[in-house]
Amino acid sequence: RKEVEQDPGPFNVPEGATVAFNCTYSNSASQSFFWYRQDCRKEPKLLMSVYSSGNEDGRFTAQLNRASQYISLLIRDSKLSDSATYLCVVSRGATNKLIFGTGTLLAVQP
Amino acid sequence: EAEVAQSPRYKITEKSQAVAFWCDPISGHATLYWYRQILGQGPELLVQFQDESVVDDSQLPKDRFSAERLKGVDSTLKIQPAELGDSAMYLCASSDRANEQFFGPGTRLTVL
Repeated sequence: RKEVEQDPGPFNVPEGATVAFNCTYSNSASQSFFWYRQDCRKEPKLLMSVYSSGNEDGRFTAQLNRASQYISLLIRDSKLSDSATYLCVVSRGATNKLIFGTGTLLAVQP
Repeated sequence: EAEVAQSPRYKITEKSQAVAFWCDPISGHATLYWYRQILGQGPELLVQFQDESVVDDSQLPKDRFSAERLKGVDSTLKIQPAELGDSAMYLCASSDRANEQFFGPGTRLTVL
């Protein structure tokens, strides 16, 4: 079993839709949590950090539930430009090692 | 905006040959990472440097892979000999004390 589990998708949604991605992690010692975005054949880029109190950045909302070891990302009013792979990431250990999920592919359709 | 530089961007080699990848992190970033990303999977850490010292190489296949960061700035990742299963994207990242990791464009390796 992978340390960070995500539904690989693809999620095919129309423009304007709301879409939610979920992620679970198995190591309770995980310290920090992130969502990264990766466009096709490009490098991953940090989308947002995730906090227990929840955090919002424009159309994006991320939530962390430490008790359930569950992370979510909500995208409202989807745009064509949101089409990408969304990687759930946790960090742990003294070296702040990043552990990536396999990613969830989102395709926003016109 | 400062970026992580990597070269080459693409590399095609035959199995049993040696390959080397180069990374120049963002200026001032003390921590440098090498990741491997197989198609359809997330990146997996191979080695992490703090300045010139290796702090984590637990996932580096040391029989064929080596990495160095001699002056604590740029870094080289080498594979010798390359195997078919090494075909992947090799990503370099760097971070400062704030810990956000910035990734370079990667080197796509194809082993024939």
